[in-house]
Amino acid sequence: EVQLVESGGGLVQPGGSLRLSCAASGFTFSDYWMTWVRQAPGKGLEWVAKVNGGGRDIDYGDSVRGRFTASRDNAQKSVYLQMNSLRAEDTAVYYCVRLDCSGGSCYMDYWGQGTLVTVSS
Amino acid sequence: QSALTQPRSVSGSPGQSVTISCTGTSSDVGGYNTVSWYQQHPGKVPKVMICDVNKRPSGVPDRFSGSKSGNTASLTISGLQAEDEADYYCFSYAGGPWVFGGGTTLTVL
Repeated sequence: EVQLVESGGGLVQPGGSLRLSCAASGFTFSDYWMTWVRQAPGKGLEWVAKVNGGGRDIDYGDSVRGRFTASRDNAQKSVYLQMNSLRAEDTAVYYCVRLDCSGGSCYMDYWGQGTLVTVSS
Repeated sequence: QSALTQPRSVSGSPGQSVTISCTGTSSDVGGYNTVSWYQQHPGKVPKVMICDVNKRPSGVPDRFSGSKSGNTASLTISGLQAEDEADYYCFSYAGGPWVFGGGTTLTVL
């Protein structure tokens, strides 16, 4: 059974940092791209970052580029999101999501339950 | 990356069909056959309903279908049921980054 479990969320002051982790199980982790998606309270989904299977091909959404860093450790079957210079508008539930790219294009097939990040003084 | 444009809300009666549009540009929706659609019920995690523009993952009812014309993708739900009431999001590759639509709330009257 595929499982994605996020951790590391919490309350942080504006300008602070936080590191999210996502532990994966139930599939060959290195075969899959992983992505982070966030959802602010009462708002829509926003794509944050993507990491390919090898960890070298990484892309970011415009709103986080330069402040967030995504990475993965295939030996630990984990993906990470280092968030720096946090702003109030980064307050959201952050989801770790698996991308299935086996069919030539990609779609998100498994989601974690999410971890809440609150940026407030 | 600008969010893809979706109607804020749509509605229909049980048994009817509704279509949700998702408009982007030639740099995202129009440029790649990578549009997928996600259903999200309140307090729940999103679930994929359509991938690769018009393919249904295993377990998704055939009442759900997808299509694309130019820079606009569409999700059609036929034979509306009460449990279809949810938020729907389109999602597309944009040549490196990826982008979501703003989301559409479907109300079953």
